[in-house]
Amino acid sequence: DGGITQSPKYLFRKEGQNVTLSCEQNLNHDAMYWYRQDPGQGLRLIYYSQIVNDFQKGDIAEGYSVSREKKESFPLTVTSAQKNPTAFYLCATSVQGVYEKLFFGSGTQLSVL
Amino acid sequence: SQQGEEDPQALSIQEGENATMNCSYKTSINNLQWYRQNSGRGLVHLILIRSNEREKHSGRLRVTLDTSKKSSSLLITASRAADTASYFCATDASGGSNYKLTFGKGTLLTVNP
Repeated sequence: DGGITQSPKYLFRKEGQNVTLSCEQNLNHDAMYWYRQDPGQGLRLIYYSQIVNDFQKGDIAEGYSVSREKKESFPLTVTSAQKNPTAFYLCATSVQGVYEKLFFGSGTQLSVL
Repeated sequence: SQQGEEDPQALSIQEGENATMNCSYKTSINNLQWYRQNSGRGLVHLILIRSNEREKHSGRLRVTLDTSKKSSSLLITASRAADTASYFCATDASGGSNYKLTFGKGTLLTVNP
């Protein structure tokens, strides 16, 4: 997990509330990703960014938003439109254009109150 | 949809035994990777095998790839209690967008002392 910091580790969302998950990296990697993991399931890609000020939707982007204003940071906002947000969220990085090794943060567990 | 599917879903062995996990996938790939996840943590990259390789070793890990059967196996030899974790295969599909990895649902390995 070294080099990628996700915060907070646990987060609770009230109905109708937007919440933002933080992901910061000091690996100098260009590419950053957000994955969602549900219990007993694999990882599903929410959004990814290959370069600053650019990002692309993954397989399950509805109800989520991201920004990439700095190379080091790729925050994920879970909006009120995401009706089933309870999950483990993982941020990852890689060298740009190289899907040969992803580095992961330690994750944020989001639960609904 | 999931590209890779691991088998078995769960595996319980005694310390010192070998553990074998399998991964099947559906479309042509550039490479296949294996990751490990300890409970409540991020994923850690273990090994990558390219589509033109048949076998690869790293320490106690041995990975095979059979592109004709669209399958891979991960063998952990002389297992230790510390190997207890979930193991995921991830594929980087060839052709089209290669900007994302697709993960399977994982195999939960329990190594009993």
